[in-house]
Amino acid sequence: DIRMTQSPSSLSASVGDRVTITCRASQDIDNSLAWYQQKPGKGPRLLLFGASRLQSGVPSRFSGTGSGTDYTLTISNLQPEDFATYFCHQYYSAPQTFGQGSNVEIK
Amino acid sequence: QVQLQESGPGLVKPSETLSLTCSVSGSSVSVSQYYWSWLRQSPGKRLEWIGYVYYNGDTSYNPSLKSRITLSVDTSKNQFSLKVRSVTEADTAVYYCARAIVGAKRLDFWGHGTRVAVSS
Repeated sequence: DIRMTQSPSSLSASVGDRVTITCRASQDIDNSLAWYQQKPGKGPRLLLFGASRLQSGVPSRFSGTGSGTDYTLTISNLQPEDFATYFCHQYYSAPQTFGQGSNVEIK
Repeated sequence: QVQLQESGPGLVKPSETLSLTCSVSGSSVSVSQYYWSWLRQSPGKRLEWIGYVYYNGDTSYNPSLKSRITLSVDTSKNQFSLKVRSVTEADTAVYYCARAIVGAKRLDFWGHGTRVAVSS
């Protein structure tokens, strides 16, 4: 199975900050990577796929970069509704696997 | 708007079968563009992909669970289902259903999740 290592596991930030979360795969996943946002009691929301493609309806302050094994989610100008848990997902090969999640908290 | 809703018992006894259903609205389980997926998250652990079922009944399972799970689709009810046999406490988790795009397999819509505890 492909191991997804996500960091940091948690971070504190303020409204207006720029936040970066990284995900490293144990092998090349050829940009087959998605990022999700999850809030308590709700199902995850797809933010980006194909490493950098924004899902319809997602604000442009969310962006993704990366290739090969290393990928990054950036949230620019953090908004109050962005405080949540974020996780990565590789769908390059079965079984699909996920990062352990990054909790973005209010500073 | 696409919506998925998990349903099933919140408590299952060890060695019994866990059965969950996902009801879909705003999308059809009968079309070829999607895989209908199940995932779970046990306390303190990362999300785990369980598997998916296609509109024609074809399935793909996580090898770690394959011997104990069955996924099925009911096109007449626009639902799909998960069965996990011989459950143990390790199967205690929040179970999610989700829609995946054929080809890319990204999960574009999810249910809210249903908590299942395995306990005597």
